Amino acid sequence: DAGVTQSPTHLIKTRGQQVTLRCSPKSGHDTVSWYQQALGQGPQFIFQYYEEEERQRGNFPDRFSGHQFPNYSSELNVNALLLGDSALYLCASRMRGHTDTQYFGPGTRLTVL
Amino acid sequence: QKEVEQNSGPLSVPEGAIASLNCTYSDRGSQSFFWYRQYSGKSPELIMSIYSNGDKEDGRFTAQLNKASQYVSLLIRDSQPSDSATYLCAVRTGNDMRFGAGTRLTVKP
Repeated sequence: DAGVTQSPTHLIKTRGQQVTLRCSPKSGHDTVSWYQQALGQGPQFIFQYYEEEERQRGNFPDRFSGHQFPNYSSELNVNALLLGDSALYLCASRMRGHTDTQYFGPGTRLTVL
Repeated sequence: QKEVEQNSGPLSVPEGAIASLNCTYSDRGSQSFFWYRQYSGKSPELIMSIYSNGDKEDGRFTAQLNKASQYVSLLIRDSQPSDSATYLCAVRTGNDMRFGAGTRLTVKP
């Protein structure tokens, strides 16, 4: 049974560029959440998707957007990258209704130069 | 005011000792409380969840919750070098999950 997978593992971009990160949830899971974890900090909630719609959003600007596909996989897009966007981006999946049992993927390390 | 606060550490204990990790939260409506372990360069993994006041034990781990004091703790008994990691406290209010900044624990052989 595959767990949560994310791609790519690492990514280097320059300021002003755009980036797309991908997540495949654990088998049987339909809800995907994205988190940003800066160095030395805890994960910060970006947004959550289920039924292909953004259902809840944290305190992140509109430069951060996402999508969920019919197979429950998800993308996180960040436009106009800033140096401060450098972080580990984590995807977590769960079954809807099982609010407390979420599993994290390995993350994508984004470096903005 | 930060919503979930933890001592950043580092906390260092000798092998075999009890490690005590603490967390306070600001939202009295919070319903669920979690401890995650995160090894360097890895993603968080859930080790304990607790929902009601009191203690919950799972092997060498004991989570304690005091809703009146808005306080959650994690005790690790017989600490092992493999327990060396950052421990994240997380609190759920509705569908919103908030994490603390984590406490870095080092267990010295």
